[in-house]
Amino acid sequence: GAGVSQTPSNKVTEKGKYVELRCDPISGHTALYWYRQSLGQGPEFLIYFQGTGAADDSGLPNDRFFAVRPEGSVSTLKIQRTERGDSAVYLCASSASDGYGYTFGSGTRLTVV
Amino acid sequence: DAKTTQPTSMDCAEGRAANLPCNHSTISGNEYVYWYRQIHSQGPQYIIHGLKNNETNEMASLIITEDRKSSTLILPHATLRDTAVYYCIVRTDSRGSTLGRLYFGRGTQLTVWP
Repeated sequence: GAGVSQTPSNKVTEKGKYVELRCDPISGHTALYWYRQSLGQGPEFLIYFQGTGAADDSGLPNDRFFAVRPEGSVSTLKIQRTERGDSAVYLCASSASDGYGYTFGSGTRLTVV
Repeated sequence: DAKTTQPTSMDCAEGRAANLPCNHSTISGNEYVYWYRQIHSQGPQYIIHGLKNNETNEMASLIITEDRKSSTLILPHATLRDTAVYYCIVRTDSRGSTLGRLYFGRGTQLTVWP
């Protein structure tokens, strides 16, 4: 597709459940990023992939959060034992190898009840 | 840490130029200044970036002071659709790469009124 696609657009889950959020980057973009945005705040970095490997995962808040990108294209952000504090918009972005001008998706709004 | 300081909010009349300031007094020599904006319920959108020279594209102009400690994003003829949060970002990748994380801060809420 022409842009970064994120599914689902909205996800409501119960506290303690496991969720997966999917990101389809722009075709050919080697770099992929996950950010999280809470209400009234700017996006907060979580993890960055270059190809299949995580080049920087220092933004993941704890070991309940994990992300994969097995074939260097689609990525999945996985959250175990969700907590109410995980409620936020999760944004994915991709960029070409030069890194200029990321393209963001519209995000997945996660609500933990 | 965001490494930038922006006003919380600004207003601008439709058709007038919107000038959004940003302070980045601790910027280092190989760090770029990026601007993104975020319209409500959408992901951030890249606007422009620069190192030390002024830059212009179809969306905006970026003016960076000679000492690089501050910059101004200029929307020459603001429209109602330019109402958004504008983020000024300095790249902090210590390897000097243009890849890697962006620190967004809270940005400036620009409201364009008719």
